[in-house]
Amino acid sequence: QSALTQPASVSGSPGQSITISCTGTSSDVGGYNYVSWYQQHPGKAPKLMIYEVSNRPSGVSNRFSGSKSGNTASLTISGLQAEDEADYYCSSYTSSSTHVVFGGGTKLTVL
Amino acid sequence: EVQLVESGGGLVQPGGSLRLSCAASGFTFSSYAMHWVRQAPGKGLEYVSAISSNGGSTYYANSVKGRFTISRDNSKNTLYLQMGSLRAEDMAVYYCARGQVGANFDYWGQGTLVTVSS
Repeated sequence: QSALTQPASVSGSPGQSITISCTGTSSDVGGYNYVSWYQQHPGKAPKLMIYEVSNRPSGVSNRFSGSKSGNTASLTISGLQAEDEADYYCSSYTSSSTHVVFGGGTKLTVL
Repeated sequence: EVQLVESGGGLVQPGGSLRLSCAASGFTFSSYAMHWVRQAPGKGLEYVSAISSNGGSTYYANSVKGRFTISRDNSKNTLYLQMGSLRAEDMAVYYCARGQVGANFDYWGQGTLVTVSS
């Protein structure tokens, strides 16, 4: 099963907004509203930031938002802060036998 | 507080076997599907395997199918991953994660490192 496609890196200055894209197919991102986003700081476990395309778990800042159009999902972080610098991964339910596929990850740099 | 604690990682020779464990606490373990996700050094996340809440259904990535076996003991609140015929490309940090509807993982363990080398 192929990984979802994410940009390798994005960057932004404190206070700005950035968007990370996650492109799949009609068998995963486009076919289900089951896209999730995870934040991972170096040496740490991933943390769920967005689930079911646009829902935030309790405790996650409302600066994080998710959306989807067709086969592409997006994570937007507004009011960038230094602590947002991390790797971000998308995932989706898929009709393939494994039921889950991840994106390749995007490194966010806060300038 | 939900906690997932992996153990069992270590150094193993190519072709060898290893069993990982994930001890769960702070929630009703038997009510949730559980998953294993791995991350090779410097690489992204890779989905490995899943097991339904009662253990009746299991899923595997093609890369591990036939070599790895996922299981659980709901009486011990523990998830397992039996790994066999290990290859260099299996070297990674292995995370266990709690699954929610929609295939998202709301809690993760700290990970356990598996090193495959002679």
